[in-house]
Amino acid sequence: DAMVIQNPRYQVTQFGKPVTLSCSQTLNHNVMYWYQQKSSQAPKLLFHYYDKDFNNEADTPDNFQSRRPNTSFCFLDIRSPGLGDAAMYLCATSTPWGQGFKAFFGQGTRLTVV
Amino acid sequence: TQLLEQSPQFLSIQEGENLTVYCNSSSVFSSLQWYRQEPGEGPVLLVTVVTGGEVKKLKRLTFQFGDARKDSSLHITAAQPGDTGLYLCAGGNTPLVFGKGTRLSVIA
Repeated sequence: DAMVIQNPRYQVTQFGKPVTLSCSQTLNHNVMYWYQQKSSQAPKLLFHYYDKDFNNEADTPDNFQSRRPNTSFCFLDIRSPGLGDAAMYLCATSTPWGQGFKAFFGQGTRLTVV
Repeated sequence: TQLLEQSPQFLSIQEGENLTVYCNSSSVFSSLQWYRQEPGEGPVLLVTVVTGGEVKKLKRLTFQFGDARKDSSLHITAAQPGDTGLYLCAGGNTPLVFGKGTRLSVIA
């Protein structure tokens, strides 16, 4: 059974039209992450939450925001998508860093901006 | 954010060959992870190495953590087309940040 679920798998949005991607987990992990992955590149960390503690990477554009209303759900909001924001967006969860660390990724949402 | 360098960036080999990919940093890590990602899917965790000098085996894959905990290697024996994918290392005392990856193609 899928443990990290991202919806939708594919999202097409218009240039400048706000879009929200969602992620849910059944693992009860403290930490949740959002990554952006462009073609032939490694995932790039945008944000992460440790419980409700939000951490924004320094180079994450202001156009990207996130919400985590509870342990199970996390959202990525793109306020005004540009063509350069077309990418795969990956959500992940993990146990706290240290012994027994485990991380799981969702299947991703592929965002197309037209 | 601590940086992880992976090499080679691309690797194309014939089925049955052996290969090694590397993950290096100037920083010490409490642990390192290796992931494999197939096209259109999220990365899947293969292994976590924790102790300096540690060696872990996963079928034909052998993972090693450097003694100083600054580097790691992944060795694949008798590569198969099913091993094709993007291999990523991640680690650090900060949240999960990846190296740039090694894109492996195994040709039948």
